[in-house]
Amino acid sequence: EDQVTQSPEALRLQEGESSSLNCSYTVSGLRGLFWYRQDPGKGPEFLFTLYSAGEEKEKERLKATLTKKESFLHITAPKPEDSATYLCAVHSSNDYKLSFGAGTTVTVRA
Amino acid sequence: DVKVTQSSRYLVKRTGEKVFLECVQDMDHENMFWYRQDPGLGLRLIYFSYDVKMKEKGDIPEGYSVSREKKERFSLILESASTNQTSMYLCATEQDLNTEAFFGQGTRLTVV
Repeated sequence: EDQVTQSPEALRLQEGESSSLNCSYTVSGLRGLFWYRQDPGKGPEFLFTLYSAGEEKEKERLKATLTKKESFLHITAPKPEDSATYLCAVHSSNDYKLSFGAGTTVTVRA
Repeated sequence: DVKVTQSSRYLVKRTGEKVFLECVQDMDHENMFWYRQDPGLGLRLIYFSYDVKMKEKGDIPEGYSVSREKKERFSLILESASTNQTSMYLCATEQDLNTEAFFGQGTRLTVV
């Protein structure tokens, strides 16, 4: 069974204090790894898809990287508007569904 | 932009009621999903549909059923609501497997 574990559960940062979120996964053949952002009371919003080890993608202050066992979401010089829950999910080659981690809630203080 | 619309943001229902949650998408996507989200548990798949009138059980289908009579609409039915079904329900669509999913705004259901 596919497993996705995110750490830490919560992260409190000062504005400008860079940090990284971790997503460890166990799947039987990775088709794709997805990062989503979720604001309180709203549905998740797509950020990135990574397909193979070594791949990297960037969007504003966010950068996602992928290895064979884990993915990192790096937040560089965060701002208060980066406060959200970040979800990691995987598609495996033998399953039609996304398997989600429990998420990391990031709070950025001004 | 893809738009996924869930019929209600908030619902309060009584134990034993039959509850309908509606989801409509406007991008002609084949795949539609219903998830529930609970603190500390993440998103868990209830049901999935890859075509009209087709459905597959997800990880937690007990107590739920679904209907997809038209491509754009996917309904989640709680046959007899119970308090342990109090949760945030999220509908999602995908154009194909392994493309990004687009989510609705969620329905927060409280069963009393």
